[in-house]
Amino acid sequence: ELKVEQNPLFLSMQEGKNYTIYCNYSTTSDRLYWYRQDPGKSLESLFVLLSNGAVKQEGRLMASLDTKARLSTLHITAAVHDLSATYFCAVDKGGSEKLVFGKGTKLTVNP
Amino acid sequence: SAVISQKPSRDICQRGTSLTIQCQVDSQVTMMFWYRQQPGQSLTLIATANQGSEATYESGFVIDKFPISRPNLTFSTLTVSNMSPEDSSIYLCSAIEWSSYNEQFFGPGTRLTVL
Repeated sequence: ELKVEQNPLFLSMQEGKNYTIYCNYSTTSDRLYWYRQDPGKSLESLFVLLSNGAVKQEGRLMASLDTKARLSTLHITAAVHDLSATYFCAVDKGGSEKLVFGKGTKLTVNP
Repeated sequence: SAVISQKPSRDICQRGTSLTIQCQVDSQVTMMFWYRQQPGQSLTLIATANQGSEATYESGFVIDKFPISRPNLTFSTLTVSNMSPEDSSIYLCSAIEWSSYNEQFFGPGTRLTVL
């Protein structure tokens, strides 16, 4: 059974600091997704990582995938308050397009 | 990217009743799914909505409780039957566009409260 673990689950940061969110998963998969969810809102797609070594960047966020280690990271550079949200990673279950989600990381960026 | 709408956006229902949630996509999509997000929790896949045939349910979810239809490429419904307070959740549909390289987009969700 595919399990997806994120850590930390809660993250409080100061503006301007850097931090990394980790996403580990238990079985082989070549596809990993990162989503953002604001309170009371739906999920916004941030990154789709489709192969080992994939790295994608958008603004202050950068995501990477190491399929051999079954690990993805979401790195936050020079955090700003607008990045406050819950971030989910999700892993494709055996190429089926069915997603198994981590528990989410609630990020709070303090001025 | 595909734009997904859901109706209703929220509802408060009595125990024992049923509610049907509609999901409409503005473009043709290959696959559609239904997820549940319990309060403060992550998302759990309920089922894959298959066009013109029975949905494929995940472990722990059954057709009698969550009947799903998908009559065409852009529309699906999820019914939550014989509701109990434990069914209070956000229900989200998602879809994958033909040309989106497997990127899965989510609807705004339906917030259901069962009293």
